[in-house]
Amino acid sequence: RKEVEQDPGPFNVPEGATVAFNCTYSNSASQSFFWYRQDCRKEPKLLMSVYSSGNEDGRFTAQLNRASQYISLLIRDSKLSDSATYLCVVNGVGGYQKVTFGIGTKLQVIP
Amino acid sequence: SAVISQKPSRDICQRGTSLTIQCQVDSQVTMMFWYRQQPGQSLTLIATANQGSEATYESGFVIDKFPISRPNLTFSTLTVSNMSPEDSSIYLCSVGTGWREQYFGPGTRLTVT
Repeated sequence: RKEVEQDPGPFNVPEGATVAFNCTYSNSASQSFFWYRQDCRKEPKLLMSVYSSGNEDGRFTAQLNRASQYISLLIRDSKLSDSATYLCVVNGVGGYQKVTFGIGTKLQVIP
Repeated sequence: SAVISQKPSRDICQRGTSLTIQCQVDSQVTMMFWYRQQPGQSLTLIATANQGSEATYESGFVIDKFPISRPNLTFSTLTVSNMSPEDSSIYLCSVGTGWREQYFGPGTRLTVT
């Protein structure tokens, strides 16, 4: 089983739609969770951290389910500019707390 | 956040040669990381560059193939040695602690012919 699993997509959604991505992780001892955004031919950039209580930033909502070992990202009112690949990131266990990236879910918002 | 630059931004190299990639940060950082992102794949950690000690390599990556230097707290280099077409990839450096967010350089796009 991969340490971090994501559906690579692509998810093609119309403008204004709500879309949700899930990501599962295998290490129950993982402590920190993030969503990154990567635009085509660019470096990844932090979108938001994911907290146990869930957190919201504008149109974006992230949630963590420790029991089922998954995190989710919900995007409301999708914009064309939301088109990107969304990477699920989970920290591992180790002296230097290695971070593991999922393969990413590609989102294409269509006019 | 940190501002990170990488050189070169891209290169085309012949097999059997080596390329050294530079990573410069605008502030002192304890940990720097080197990643590889092959086409259609996610980021894979190559190694953690430690200042004042040898780099810590992940499984599948060895120092002879990917020697790393970390002469100070703002700079690191990664060398891709004896390149083959399978080394064609984007190489990214990043800074940050493992449990906090990481900041990435713009990447070096390497093509090996």
